Amino acid sequence: DVKVTQSSRYLVKRTGEKVFLECVQDMDHENMFWYRQDPGLGLRLIYFSYDVKMKEKGDIPEGYSVSREKKERFSLILESASTNQTSMYLCASRDVNTEAFFGQGTRLTVV
Amino acid sequence: AQSVTQPDIHITVSEGASLELRCNYSYGATPYLFWYVQSPGQGLQLLLKYFSGDTLVQGIKGFEAEFKRSQSSFNLRKPSVHWSDAAEYFCAVGAVNRGSTLGRLYFGRGTQLTVWP
Repeated sequence: DVKVTQSSRYLVKRTGEKVFLECVQDMDHENMFWYRQDPGLGLRLIYFSYDVKMKEKGDIPEGYSVSREKKERFSLILESASTNQTSMYLCASRDVNTEAFFGQGTRLTVV
Repeated sequence: AQSVTQPDIHITVSEGASLELRCNYSYGATPYLFWYVQSPGQGLQLLLKYFSGDTLVQGIKGFEAEFKRSQSSFNLRKPSVHWSDAAEYFCAVGAVNRGSTLGRLYFGRGTQLTVWP
C-alpha cells in the first residue's frame, strides 16, 4: 500500500521557534509538495520539489523554507513560527502520470 | 493562468437524493483531472481521475465524473447520496506532460457537502 507519512499529527509550538515538518514517501515519486489548508481557502501550495535539491515556490512561500536532500523526504521549515502560521499542513507526492498521494496532515498550533 | 473553480462553497442534500458538484478549470495544456474527498481531520483521498479516453469516469463509493472539454468542466455526480458522503470535496487539475515544474496540481477551494437524514 502506497504511503505518504508525516512525522506528526499535532504540534504545538511557541512564537519564534524554528519548526520542522517532515514528510516521507515510499513510492519513488519525483514530485513532492507542501500545502497549507485553512477554512474557506482550500489548499494553498507553499513549496514543491521536482527532484532532489530542486524546489519551486508555490503561492504562499513567505515565512517558509524547504529541504529535499533525499528523494523520499521533503521537509518544511518555519524559520520563526508566528501565530498566523497556525494551520493544517498537508504533504503530497506524485509522478506526472499519477494522482497525488497525501499524508494525514499535521495540525500546527503556534502560541 | 491555471486555475480551478468550484462555484459552490457549501451544498446540502437529503440522504437518497442525487448530487452534482461543479468544477471548472483553466489550463494551458491537456489536463489530468481529479476529484478528492476529505473527511474531518484527515488527508485527501482520491475519488476518481481522468487522464484520457472515455470522458465518463467511475470512481470509488459510487461516484462518477464527466469531462467536457468544450465547457472546461469536470463535474462530480452521485445518483443517491449516503449520510457517510458528508465531507469536503476538492477538484484538481494537473499536467499530462513530464517536465520540471509540470508536476504541480492546482486545486479548487473545495465544496463542503452536508447530508440531511
